[in-house]
Amino acid sequence: RKEVEQDPGPFNVPEGATVAFNCTYSNSASQSFFWYRQDCRKEPKLLMSVYSSGNEDGRFTAQLNRASQYISLLIRDSKLSDSATYLCVVIGYGNKLVFGAGTILRVKS
Amino acid sequence: DAGVIQSPRHEVTEMGQEVTLRCKPISGHNSLFWYRQTMMRGLELLIYFNNNVPIDDSGMPEDRFSAKMPNASFSTLKIQPSEPRDSAVYFCASSFAQGGGGTTNIQYFGAGTRLSVL
Repeated sequence: RKEVEQDPGPFNVPEGATVAFNCTYSNSASQSFFWYRQDCRKEPKLLMSVYSSGNEDGRFTAQLNRASQYISLLIRDSKLSDSATYLCVVIGYGNKLVFGAGTILRVKS
Repeated sequence: DAGVIQSPRHEVTEMGQEVTLRCKPISGHNSLFWYRQTMMRGLELLIYFNNNVPIDDSGMPEDRFSAKMPNASFSTLKIQPSEPRDSAVYFCASSFAQGGGGTTNIQYFGAGTRLSVL
């Protein structure tokens, strides 16, 4: 089993839609979780950290479910500029950040 | 402030040649990471340094790969000899780790070096 698993997508949604991604992780001792965003042929950039109580940043909401070992990212009112690959990041075995393979989002007008 | 700076941005070389990738981390950061990204394997951690000391190189694919960090502002990743399967995008990232926590803090990535080995 991979340490971090994501649905690769692509998720094709119209502008204004709400879309959600899940990510499952295998290390029950993980303490830190992040969502990164990667545009085509660019470097990954931090989108948001994921806190135990959940957190929101504008149109983006991140949730953590420790019991089921998954984190989620909800994007409301999707914009064309949200089109990117979203990487789930978890502290893995050996206390290292482990990146998921990413979920591709395409927002269309 | 300047972010993580990598050079070169693109490298095309022939099989068997030596390749050296360079990275300047964000000033004040004490942890540095080298990643490789391919379509098949995604983003893989190759090696990371804390305070210029290599901590974990278990991700380095084989002896052809080596990395150094002679000081807090510079690191290199060397491939000798290079092979076509080394073709990938190589990212360097840095972070500030309090108490030597290393990998658990937010990492900032450079723009990457796109390597093609023919």
